[in-house]
Amino acid sequence: SAVISQKPSRDICQRGTSLTIQCQVDSQVTMMFWYRQQPGQSLTLIATANQGSEATYESGFVIDKFPISRPNLTFSTLTVSNMSPEDSSIYLCSVVQGATDTQYFGPGTRLTVL
Amino acid sequence: QKEVEQDPGPLSVPEGAIVSLNCTYSNSAFQYFMWYRQYSRKGPELLMYTYSSGNKEDGRFTAQVDKSSKYISLFIRDSQPSDSATYLCAMSAGDYGGATNKLIFGTGTLLAVQP
Repeated sequence: SAVISQKPSRDICQRGTSLTIQCQVDSQVTMMFWYRQQPGQSLTLIATANQGSEATYESGFVIDKFPISRPNLTFSTLTVSNMSPEDSSIYLCSVVQGATDTQYFGPGTRLTVL
Repeated sequence: QKEVEQDPGPLSVPEGAIVSLNCTYSNSAFQYFMWYRQYSRKGPELLMYTYSSGNKEDGRFTAQVDKSSKYISLFIRDSQPSDSATYLCAMSAGDYGGATNKLIFGTGTLLAVQP
């Protein structure tokens, strides 16, 4: 399976600021996803990062709050904008490999907003 | 009602026990079923993948899918302390590359295997 890395692994941020999370894959993948994992809740898909086009956002998530870039087939960024304590969560990127729906996840970015 | 329901636990068992983890779901369109293992402060790791109904075995792990009951299970035989983790079920309707390939996750079951 692909090796996926994320930066930063964790951060503590102040309310009202923004944080950009990077996701790097060691091989080219077509589909990349960004998830949020809040304490005691299931992983929730934020958006699908499409190479060469705008990301596709799930209900409840908007581009102004979570802008995503996908400049090539091995890299994507997720920005959490104008943060509030409610944005404290683990943010994970994932990729699909092969002709199945199995997804492989990065190690996650643990974000705390004060 | 959530699309996928999973008992959050925690579940504590002695080493060597057989562990049964379960999820129920409501969407009859789901046909791909996965189990992920997540250690503390790590990303989810794909453990088992099953298409449609039936059983799949991999070492000490067995995944079962009963689509008629909308129920999936993961069995762990001879459980080890290293199995202590959160286990997440996930499923999708398939259609690779299409709008319906989104994974829906359960909330996860925290398992502790006591030595």
